[in-house]
Amino acid sequence: KQEVTQIPAALSVPEGENLVLNCSFTDSAIYNLQWFRQDPGKGLTSLLLIQSSQREQTSGRLNASLDKSSGRSTLYIAASQPGDSATYLCAVGDGGSQGNLIFGKGTKLSVKP
Amino acid sequence: SAVISQKPSRDICQRGTSLTIQCQVDSQVTMMFWYRQQPGQSLTLIATANQGSEATYESGFVIDKFPISRPNLTFSTLTVSNMSPEDSSIYLCSATGQGATDTQYFGPGTRLTVL
Repeated sequence: KQEVTQIPAALSVPEGENLVLNCSFTDSAIYNLQWFRQDPGKGLTSLLLIQSSQREQTSGRLNASLDKSSGRSTLYIAASQPGDSATYLCAVGDGGSQGNLIFGKGTKLSVKP
Repeated sequence: SAVISQKPSRDICQRGTSLTIQCQVDSQVTMMFWYRQQPGQSLTLIATANQGSEATYESGFVIDKFPISRPNLTFSTLTVSNMSPEDSSIYLCSATGQGATDTQYFGPGTRLTVL
């Protein structure tokens, strides 16, 4: 059974720092991996989607990498801003239920001004 | 991308009653899903909403408790039946165009509290 783990559970950094969020999964047979952010009282916003054949994806200040063989993904946030404060969720698509995502518990990020 | 709306955004309900949550997508999508996020936990898939046929439920979830409808390609409902306080959660609808390889987009969620 696929399990997704995110470390750390919470992270507080000063504005301007570069930071890395980690995600690991137990079964490397995945279709894709998706990073989301969740703001309090709101739904999920998709940040980046990495297909199983890809190694990384970039969007603005965000860069996500995928190493299937080791079961790891990282989300790199450059020059963090207070507006980046949110919970970041990693989810793997393992093909079950034709698109089912298995989620980690998230990393709660706080960026201090 | 797809924009997804849900109604209601939140509700407080009495034990033993039922609540129906609506999910509307702004474009035709292939797959629609319902997830639950219990307090302090991550998201768990309840079921895949199949257009024109019965939903496909994940282990631990049953149709009698969570009946789902999907009458067309842009709309689905989830009913939480005979509610108990343990059903207090955020319920989220999601959709994707291509299934296993496409980006999943999520609605804002419905925050349910059962007294």
